[in-house]
Amino acid sequence: AQSVTQLDSQVPVFEEAPVELRCNYSSSVSVYLFWYVQYPNQGLQLLLKYLSGSTLVKGINGFEAEFNKSQTSFHLRKPSVHISDTAEYFCAVSEVDSNYQLIWGAGTKLIIKP
Amino acid sequence: EAQVTQNPRYLITVTGKKLTVTCSQNMNHEYMSWYRQDPGLGLRQIYYSMNVEVTDKGDVPEGYKVSRKEKRNFPLILESPSPNQTSLYFCASSSRTGWVYGYTFGSGTRLTVV
Repeated sequence: AQSVTQLDSQVPVFEEAPVELRCNYSSSVSVYLFWYVQYPNQGLQLLLKYLSGSTLVKGINGFEAEFNKSQTSFHLRKPSVHISDTAEYFCAVSEVDSNYQLIWGAGTKLIIKP
Repeated sequence: EAQVTQNPRYLITVTGKKLTVTCSQNMNHEYMSWYRQDPGLGLRQIYYSMNVEVTDKGDVPEGYKVSRKEKRNFPLILESPSPNQTSLYFCASSSRTGWVYGYTFGSGTRLTVV
């Protein structure tokens, strides 16, 4: 993967509203796709991943993402957010034969408004 | 508990004073990596190691050194720190075959160089 773009540096949303965090990548080969979450003052943890098969993947805490090969996108969604979802979210991509290496997006801060 | 342990969590130092940030994992992982996280830039890889005595440069290796003498430890060394190395640092690890299932991250080391 050559690059990963997270189009929004911050996304403010009201509690219980739906949210979409956008991720686009550039690559000419098959890829694996990941979303990681970083809660305040913590390390990153895996939220969900796409390796193969169904393009709609579900992760922890009610999040899901859809792989769109033609759009080279992997947007993250949640139908109803909670205060506890306040975090920074990182999209990462790896070419299938890259052997461990991830290309990271710049991150999107999800800000939940009460 | 499976974990990656970084020390210290916070460090303030002066320009030019050598320092070491330790990273240890208890999962017998082959792969370990160091990242720095800066606002708006996401995670940038400094160095990585695919096994004992095997290390390689990431995207931003200048000013850093690493060693991998034992499988569990992967210290990050700043021989002569400068203010532009003020950042949040993360160590991560994964198994040879399990990396597609997600890296395990440490809790981070916030370094300030004055």
